Amino acid sequence: KQEVTQIPAALSVPEGENLVLNCSFTDSAIYNLQWFRQDPGKGLTSLLLIQSSQREQTSGRLNASLDKSSGRSTLYIAASQPGDSATYLCAVGADGLTFGKGTHLIIQP
Amino acid sequence: KAGVTQTPRYLIKTRGQQVTLSCSPISGHRSVSWYQQTPGQGLQFLFEYFSETQRNKGNFPGRFSGRQFSNSRSEMNVSTLELGDSALYLCASSLAPGGPSEQFFGPGTRLTVL
Repeated sequence: KQEVTQIPAALSVPEGENLVLNCSFTDSAIYNLQWFRQDPGKGLTSLLLIQSSQREQTSGRLNASLDKSSGRSTLYIAASQPGDSATYLCAVGADGLTFGKGTHLIIQP
Repeated sequence: KAGVTQTPRYLIKTRGQQVTLSCSPISGHRSVSWYQQTPGQGLQFLFEYFSETQRNKGNFPGRFSGRQFSNSRSEMNVSTLELGDSALYLCASSLAPGGPSEQFFGPGTRLTVL
C-alpha cells in the first residue's frame, strides 16, 4: 500500500527566504507526482505535475524534483512571499492519487 | 475555460439521512475522481469514473457510491449518514483515466452531519 510522508508538517519563515518542502513515498510504481496548494477551506490548486519519466518541473518561482529510485520529491520555492502561505500537498498517482498530510507554510511579512 | 464545479458548496444533514453531491468536470475531461478530506485522515481517494464506469475504488464502505453520466458529470451518494462522514468532499477531473493525467480539483462540498 502506497504511503506518502511530508516533512516538515509546518514551517514558518520570513518573507524573501528560499525554502524546500519534502515528500517521500514508499512504492516507486507511480505514474506521476503532483504538488498542490490548498488555502483554508478551499479546494486544491495544482502547482506542478512531474511524470514518472521526468526528473523535474519548473513554474515561475517553483521547482519540483522527482527521484523515483529513492522515493523522494522536493518542492523548492524561491524568494517566498506572504501570498505563498498555504498548505502544500504532495500526491502520487497510480489508481487514484495518494496524498501526504501536507506542509502548513506561513510566510511572515 | 471554466474549472471543476461542485454543488452544493455546503450541506448540513442529520445522522441516518442520505446525501447526493454533484460534480461537473472541466469541458473535455472525461475522468472524474472523488476524494474525502478530514482533519484526521487527510485526503483519501473514494472512486474514479470514466465513460460512465467505475474504474477504481478506495477503501470506503458500500454506503459511498457514485455514478457518471454521458456528459461526464458525476454524482456521489452517501447513504445512512454517520457523524464521521462530516468532511470536505472534493471532486477532480482529468483528460484520461488512471494516474498519468494531471488532476484538477473543484472547490469542494463541505458536509456536516449532526
